[in-house]
Amino acid sequence: RKEVEQDPGPFNVPEGATVAFNCTYSNSASQSFFWYRQDCRKEPKLLMSVYSSGNEDGRFTAQLNRASQYISLLIRDSKLSDSATYLCAVNGGGNQGGKLIFGQGTELSVKP
Amino acid sequence: ETGVTQTPRHLVMGMTNKKSLKCEQHLGHNAMYWYKQSAKKPLELMFVYSLEERVENNSVPSRFSPECPNSSHLFLHLHTLQPEDSALYLCASSQERARTQYFGPGTRLLVL
Repeated sequence: RKEVEQDPGPFNVPEGATVAFNCTYSNSASQSFFWYRQDCRKEPKLLMSVYSSGNEDGRFTAQLNRASQYISLLIRDSKLSDSATYLCAVNGGGNQGGKLIFGQGTELSVKP
Repeated sequence: ETGVTQTPRHLVMGMTNKKSLKCEQHLGHNAMYWYKQSAKKPLELMFVYSLEERVENNSVPSRFSPECPNSSHLFLHLHTLQPEDSALYLCASSQERARTQYFGPGTRLLVL
């Protein structure tokens, strides 16, 4: 089983749609969770950290489910500019606590 | 954004060349990282430096040689690379190892 796994997509959605991505992780000792956004040929940029209680930033909502070991990202009212690859990152936990492990990314394409 | 800068942005080199990639962070962080990103693959962590000391080397071939002269600068020295080393090389920094990482724009490397 991969340490961090995401649906590769692509997700093709119309403008205004709601789309959700999941990311599963294998190490139950992981403590820090993040969503990054990566545009084509650019570097990953932090979108949001994921807190135990869940957090929301405008149209974006992140949730953590420790029991099932996954994090999710919900995008409401999607815009053309949301088209990108979304990467989840999980810290290694335990003696790998300082290591961020990235998923392979989920590609989102928002169409007019 | 000037938080983490990388030079050069693009590099073409032959297999017998020696070159160096440079990364500088202006965020006051004490941990720095090198990642490799090949097409359609997850980010691969190469090296981690914490307080200028290398704390992780993920089985990277010796033709890649990192150097961290101080907490703001990180280099990746390259020599006798192979065509399969062609990729986007990303530098990142964080305040402590388990915290959010911020990426530079990357160096797109082509080995001929």
